[in-house]
Amino acid sequence: SSELTQDPTVSVALGQTVRITCQGDSLRTYYATWYQQKPGQAPVLVIYGKNNRPSGIPDRFSGSSSGNTASLTITGAQAEDEADYYCDSRDSSGNHLVFGGGTKLTVL
Amino acid sequence: QVQLQESGPGLVKPSETLSLTCSVSGGSISNYYWSWIRQPPGKGLEWIGYIYYSGSTSYNPSLKSRVTISVDTSKNQFSLKLRSVTAADTAVYFCARTSVHCTTTSCYTFRDLWGQGTLVTVSS
Repeated sequence: SSELTQDPTVSVALGQTVRITCQGDSLRTYYATWYQQKPGQAPVLVIYGKNNRPSGIPDRFSGSSSGNTASLTITGAQAEDEADYYCDSRDSSGNHLVFGGGTKLTVL
Repeated sequence: QVQLQESGPGLVKPSETLSLTCSVSGGSISNYYWSWIRQPPGKGLEWIGYIYYSGSTSYNPSLKSRVTISVDTSKNQFSLKLRSVTAADTAVYFCARTSVHCTTTSCYTFRDLWGQGTLVTVSS
């Protein structure tokens, strides 16, 4: 079992806002990083640090954190946002990396 | 632009050693951490470990006894060896660049560039 917990599936209506969460004790200390993965492709970095987007990532993607929960918010979800989303962060020891189990986002 | 490419056998026999290399092109391997991550078919991502260009390493505790990651700066490559493989090691293996950003109070890492991944099947 992962030290970072994600809901396995989330759905959102086209154009609406969706929040994908990642829970873990280590998130009280360390930032979560978020990746998007489409079928048959490598993951793509979408959010890192407090709330930073790499070049090329639309501004509808944003990140936040409160307590032991990190969130990825998509404001105005598009059909192309349908994908698996993974968080990663340090584990509780702070010495190793761990991934969440992933969330499959469906855009209806 | 910087690109990563995994290479190595796609089929490995049980109990043998899985060996993969990640070639970095378009930029230097220096001043970054470099990670290996795997994904069993239909499952989530699992961090295997990372290496700094200078050679220091960190491994997933669950794999540490079987894993070695090394770097060859002269070839701009880093490599993964996973010993005594079983069917449970069948996965797509990704290499990724790990960047570090420091604020006034803390540092954090993120994997900002990934290879396309290579499927390794463990089977006799």
